Amino acid sequence: DAKTTQPPSMDCAEGRAANLPCNHSTISGNEYVYWYRQIHSQGPQYIIHGLKNNETNEMASLIITEDRKSSTLILPHATLRDTAVYYCIVRAGTASKLTFGTGTRLQVTL
Amino acid sequence: KAGVTQTPRYLIKTRGQQVTLSCSPISGHRSVSWYQQTPGQGLQFLFEYFSETQRNKGNFPGRFSGRQFSNSRSEMNVSTLELGDSALYLCASSATQAGDTIYFGEGSWLTVV
Repeated sequence: DAKTTQPPSMDCAEGRAANLPCNHSTISGNEYVYWYRQIHSQGPQYIIHGLKNNETNEMASLIITEDRKSSTLILPHATLRDTAVYYCIVRAGTASKLTFGTGTRLQVTL
Repeated sequence: KAGVTQTPRYLIKTRGQQVTLSCSPISGHRSVSWYQQTPGQGLQFLFEYFSETQRNKGNFPGRFSGRQFSNSRSEMNVSTLELGDSALYLCASSATQAGDTIYFGEGSWLTVV
């Protein structure tokens, strides 16, 4: 699986958009980009995933660059409950093994 | 529909004992994976089962084992527990189609004393 690089921590004011970057420069053509978050050591919560097109759901938007070497997770209106560790993961096809890095610790403040 | 269910949620064991953790995947999901999360090592893949067969295995000693039943429910077992086995054990399930979603349970907190 391709390796990902994320900043270790970020801060965001409540109500503002949180933009979390991820670098995956060695991604292959059949590998998807997945985002999960983990709050207080609960189970990782799925957020969104994509292959090459930008994706949006009720939680977030995923912007993948045209060369697919990086992506950005956007939480449009961050709340205190979005404080968590966010993991960007590259997954090959149907592989069920996910390789977690250290993620980005997002702190949302008043 | 119901999510991934793990039992028990919390347990305390003594060194040298063994433990069995259970996971019920989302209905229709045939793949079950297990992960260990510790403060020092983060989230690490243990193994994956699909159609009752181990399909992938992480870098863990043989004390860690698992199995999957015909209804896709899975169990993992850790024998001869060590203090370092204290961790959050997470189960995840998926339908194993390209681009599908892997969903995680809330985990089982194991403390070895």
